[in-house]
Amino acid sequence: GQQVMQIPQYQHVQEGEDFTTYCNSSTTLSNIQWYKQRPGGHPVFLIQLVKSGEVKKQKRLTFQFGEAKKNSSLHITATQTTDVGTYFCAGGGGFQKLVFGTGTRLLVSP
Amino acid sequence: GAGVSQSPSNKVTEKGKDVELRCDPISGHTALYWYRQSLGQGLEFLIYFQGNSAPDKSGLPSDRFSAERTGESVSTLTIQRTQQEDSAVYLCASSLATGGTDTQYFGPGTRLTVL
Repeated sequence: GQQVMQIPQYQHVQEGEDFTTYCNSSTTLSNIQWYKQRPGGHPVFLIQLVKSGEVKKQKRLTFQFGEAKKNSSLHITATQTTDVGTYFCAGGGGFQKLVFGTGTRLLVSP
Repeated sequence: GAGVSQSPSNKVTEKGKDVELRCDPISGHTALYWYRQSLGQGLEFLIYFQGNSAPDKSGLPSDRFSAERTGESVSTLTIQRTQQEDSAVYLCASSLATGGTDTQYFGPGTRLTVL
């Protein structure tokens, strides 16, 4: 079945440093979604990308969808302590099962 | 409007007992998912309901686990003869599944502790 892997599993940065997580699917995706889960919380939707090569920005967060629609990345510029949490990508959805990636846990030290 | 709700929020049970977890999805959401998340781990898919289609049970870890959904409303996840390794947070999520932007809305989860 479809598998969605993320790297790294864990990253610890100093506040102000940049951070990137990568998402790779074993199959072509119709779309990619990103979610953030704060410690002790539940995943919350951040964004969806649909088009090949699409790039979207949310303040300090930049999301990219690969040309082949099999990979995606989330880049955070100048991390803040409020960015702490686990970031999940998810592929599929609609009338197909949404498959979550393995997640990247981000820790930001002040 | 109301989001996804789950009950109970916490459940402590003894090994060997049965437990039933409840999920109330957002009204009108045809898709409903159950996930399990152990401390510091990712989301483990358990089961997926989509409209009137047969549920995708491929993620259920053993035959002690079962789930039902009444139409497009409430779902219950039942774990029989609980084991200590069943201890985790059980998350439910629902979505419109329209084929367009299909945001999953998660409930707050049920934290299950098996003693």
